[in-house]
Amino acid sequence: DAGVTQSPTHLIKTRGQQVTLRCSPKSGHDTVSWYQQALGQGPQFIFQYYEEEERQRGNFPDRFSGHQFPNYSSELNVNALLLGDSALYLCASSLFSLNTEAFFGQGTRLTVV
Amino acid sequence: AQSVSQHNHHVILSEAASLELGCNYSYGGTVNLFWYVQYPGQHLQLLLKYFSGDPLVKGIKGFEAEFIKSKFSFNLRKPSVQWSDTAEYFCAVKWDGNKLVFGAGTILRVKS
Repeated sequence: DAGVTQSPTHLIKTRGQQVTLRCSPKSGHDTVSWYQQALGQGPQFIFQYYEEEERQRGNFPDRFSGHQFPNYSSELNVNALLLGDSALYLCASSLFSLNTEAFFGQGTRLTVV
Repeated sequence: AQSVSQHNHHVILSEAASLELGCNYSYGGTVNLFWYVQYPGQHLQLLLKYFSGDPLVKGIKGFEAEFIKSKFSFNLRKPSVQWSDTAEYFCAVKWDGNKLVFGAGTILRVKS
């Protein structure tokens, strides 16, 4: 049973460029959430997708957008990259319910130069 | 605003010492509570969770946590740490939907 898988594992981009990160949820899960983890901090919630719609959003600018596909996989897109976007981006999958736990992928390390 | 506070950012212990990591959250209502662990080079893994019922919950690897509603706390404990417990520990709270709010993390180093 595959857990949460993310690709790529590492990425280097230049300021102003755009990036797309991908996530496949754990088998049986229908909800994908994205988090940004800056160095020395806890993960910060970006947004959550369920039934191909954005359900909740954290305090991130519109440069951050996402998508969920019919097979529950998801993409995170970041436009007009800034140096401050350098971080570990985590994908978490779960069921869409209060009393459930989230499973995390290994993350994508994004470096903006 | 919803927030989670972890009391110590760095903790250094000798093997066999007891561990307690503090976690407080900003306000009440119905909450789900979690402790996650991140071993060096690995992904976040769930140590234990609280949804309802007995406020003392047991997790993997001998860890336990106690939910004290009146104090908005969910402290993590282990009676005797091992060198292999060296990792970063995150407390996380879910108030609604599936959004997790994390604390800043506690880096635990266990000296052998």
